[in-house]
Amino acid sequence: AQSVTQPDIHITVSEGASLELRCNYSYGATPYLFWYVQSPGQGLQLLLKYFSGDTLVQGIKGFEAEFKRSQSSFNLRKPSVHWSDAAEYFCAVGANTGNQFYFGTGTSLTVIP
Amino acid sequence: EAGVTQSPTHLIKTRGQQATLRCSPISGHTSVYWYQQALGLGLQFLLWYDEGEERNRGNFPPRFSGRQFPNYSSELNVNALELEDSALYLCASSLLGVQETQYFGPGTRLLVL
Repeated sequence: AQSVTQPDIHITVSEGASLELRCNYSYGATPYLFWYVQSPGQGLQLLLKYFSGDTLVQGIKGFEAEFKRSQSSFNLRKPSVHWSDAAEYFCAVGANTGNQFYFGTGTSLTVIP
Repeated sequence: EAGVTQSPTHLIKTRGQQATLRCSPISGHTSVYWYQQALGLGLQFLLWYDEGEERNRGNFPPRFSGRQFPNYSSELNVNALELEDSALYLCASSLLGVQETQYFGPGTRLLVL
């Protein structure tokens, strides 16, 4: 069965520090992978996606993610975090059939000055 | 271009009542998805509609139902409300296709008392 694991429920980083949010997936076929961000009281905004090709994908707001098939991972990174990055981050895998997305439980990011 | 819109933003009901939530997709998108985001449970897939038909359904009881109208907008109906139905209900839309990105609305927060 498809599943997504985000091992870190909550992460705190200092403004200007680097960030890595972990995502591991379980899926039998080639996955379609996504990272979304949710600010308080808001819906989900797409940060980036991976379908095929280059395993390092660039997204909006300076985020990038690397697909590692051998590790079944799709970790999100940012070299220098801004206070406005404080939000909930969700990793998702898209199924090949049924158009269903499977989401992780999210990682809450706090940025301290 | 307008994004996905949802109404109402908040809804308060009592146990046993029915709730109706509405969603308008991005212009040109034919697929509409519904997700439930309950505290501590992440996003759970509810329903997928395309071209007026229910295409896929998550692991929810039949009292969760919906429909899609000819203009591709959608309704989610929850009958016989239970306390645990309290959650943020997110709607997303996309073009048809397994690789298509889902774009999310701001959600409807349902509180069942």
